[in-house]
Amino acid sequence: EIVMTQSPDTLSVSPGERATLSCRASQSVSRNLAWYQQKSGQAPRLLIYGASTRATGIPARISGSGSGTEFTLTISSLQSEDFAVYYCQQYNNWPLTFGGGTKVEIK
Amino acid sequence: QVQLVESGGGVVQPGRSLRLSCEASGFTFSNCVMHWVRQAPGKGLEWVAVISYDGSSKYYADSVKGRFTISRDNSKNTMSLQMNSLRAEDTAVYYCATQGGVADEYFDYWGQGTLVTVSS
Repeated sequence: EIVMTQSPDTLSVSPGERATLSCRASQSVSRNLAWYQQKSGQAPRLLIYGASTRATGIPARISGSGSGTEFTLTISSLQSEDFAVYYCQQYNNWPLTFGGGTKVEIK
Repeated sequence: QVQLVESGGGVVQPGRSLRLSCEASGFTFSNCVMHWVRQAPGKGLEWVAVISYDGSSKYYADSVKGRFTISRDNSKNTMSLQMNSLRAEDTAVYYCATQGGVADEYFDYWGQGTLVTVSS
């Protein structure tokens, strides 16, 4: 099973600042990596797939990069609606696995 | 618009069974690979099971293999998850989700989830 490790656990950021979230895979997942946003009490929402392709309706301030074992989600200028928990997920191997999440909170 | 509505959750005793349903609308259900993903209270996401377009292929997480069965009825646009021999560690919100790519197993649409609580 591929283990996905996200860091940091919590990221405190001021509105308008840049947020950088990391996701590391225990072995290469190529570019088969997705990112999700989850707000309290809501279902996850797809942000990025294929490591860097934004899903429909996702603003350009949210971007993904990386390949192999190291991936990054960047939110260039945090808006109030961006404060949430973010998960990465690999789909290169079965079983599909998620990272433990990074909570982005208001500083 | 795509809608996924889960139902069937509730409180159940350890060792008992429960059947979850996911009703789909707003897209061609029979063209879509479907998944169940769960989230224990205050925890992260865990993939549970997947079923192919026509129901001929099914895969399960090791944690539920032999106890859970995924199925679908394309004539009714519904997917189900039969959960037997339930354990306390199966307590979670269960989401149904559509697979975003033909051969790429990410999840592009999610239901609102249904809570399953396994407790005596």
